[in-house]
Amino acid sequence: SQTIHQWPATLVQPVGSPLSLECTVEGTSNPNLYWYRQAAGRGLQLLFYSVGIGQISSEVPQNLSASRPQDRQFILSSKKLLLSDSGFYLCAWSVGVAKNIQYFGAGTRLSVL
Amino acid sequence: QKEVEQDPGPLSVPEGAIVSLNCTYSNSAFQYFMWYRQYSRKGPELLMYTYSSGNKEDGRFTAQVDKSSKYISLFIRDSQPSDSATYLCAMIAQAGTALIFGKGTTLSVSS
Repeated sequence: SQTIHQWPATLVQPVGSPLSLECTVEGTSNPNLYWYRQAAGRGLQLLFYSVGIGQISSEVPQNLSASRPQDRQFILSSKKLLLSDSGFYLCAWSVGVAKNIQYFGAGTRLSVL
Repeated sequence: QKEVEQDPGPLSVPEGAIVSLNCTYSNSAFQYFMWYRQYSRKGPELLMYTYSSGNKEDGRFTAQVDKSSKYISLFIRDSQPSDSATYLCAMIAQAGTALIFGKGTTLSVSS
């Protein structure tokens, strides 16, 4: 069966520091991968999605970037964090004929202080 | 008008009650409809997935879609304290496009 791993679960970073969040999917190949941010009271916002290695689409211009160095690995990065980057970051995947069904990881709670 | 509207609640019910959670949407291109359950500080968990108008049942959960009214519902029968969570509706026009979420309804079931 497929599983998705996200780490770390919690992260506290100072303003201006870099960020790297990692997500990996097991048990499947060629998944679509997604990064979302969930801010309190604002729902889930799609940040990036990827349909293959090196293929990244950005939904919202911001201080973040994403990369997909391997088929089942998706990384969210920032060179300099802002206070407004605080939130709950979720990775998701979809695959196969049901590529519209997305499954989520456990999330990373990021606090920028 | 927002693409997906969902009453944030909170909704408080006693154990055993029937719960109705609802979302309305404005984009007639949406074809696939999902309900996710999210416990506090956890990732969303897929509960139900429907494509066509009508009802789909899975245990105590029933998902209902009315495309003509652009309205979807999730019914929970015999609600349990373990059902206490935030319920998110989500919908998508086609694979590869953005999954659009409601803001979620917080449900509390008391024993």
